[in-house]
Amino acid sequence: EDQVTQSPEALRLQEGESSSLNCSYTVSGLRGLFWYRQDPGKGPEFLFTLYSAGEEKEKERLKATLTKKESFLHITAPKPEDSATYLCAVAGNNRKLIWGLGTSLAVNP
Amino acid sequence: NAGVTQTPKFQVLKTGQSMTLQCAQDMNHNSMYWYRQDPGMGLRLIYYSASEGTTDKGEVPNGYNVSRLNKREFSLRLESAAPSQTSVYFCASSDRTSTDTQYFGPGTRLTVL
Repeated sequence: EDQVTQSPEALRLQEGESSSLNCSYTVSGLRGLFWYRQDPGKGPEFLFTLYSAGEEKEKERLKATLTKKESFLHITAPKPEDSATYLCAVAGNNRKLIWGLGTSLAVNP
Repeated sequence: NAGVTQTPKFQVLKTGQSMTLQCAQDMNHNSMYWYRQDPGMGLRLIYYSASEGTTDKGEVPNGYNVSRLNKREFSLRLESAAPSQTSVYFCASSDRTSTDTQYFGPGTRLTVL
């Protein structure tokens, strides 16, 4: 069964304290792994798509990496404005998008 | 370029009332989706439309109907609202299939009393 698990559920960091969020997945034939950011009361905002193991993408303080079993979202020197829930989703050969429950990140000034 | 827009932003219904949630996209996307998001449950697909004129059930379609009015617009209708349908509803669109990046609207917060 296709599955996506995100960890930790919640993470609290001090401003400038780098860390990583994890997205573990099992899927038949990976067609894409997606990272989104969601602020309270808003819709998910697209960040990255990764298609194959070894692929990496960066945007400002965020860097997403992908292996055959998991993806990491690395946050370097986070700022309070990086506080949000980060969602991971995976699409496999059945073309269904499977969503994780998200990691709630709080960055304290 | 507005992206994906949804109306209304908030709605309160009484049990048994009906309503339609509206969604429109201006990205010339072929596929559109309706999700609901509940605490501890994540995003769950209600219905999707792979192209104008076609619709298919998602994970939780019971109690809902959809209409793909044209390429831009995709509406979600609750015929007889129930408290279990209290949720936040998101519309999304993607270029072709569900494996393409989906872009989301701002959401509709629905409360059914």
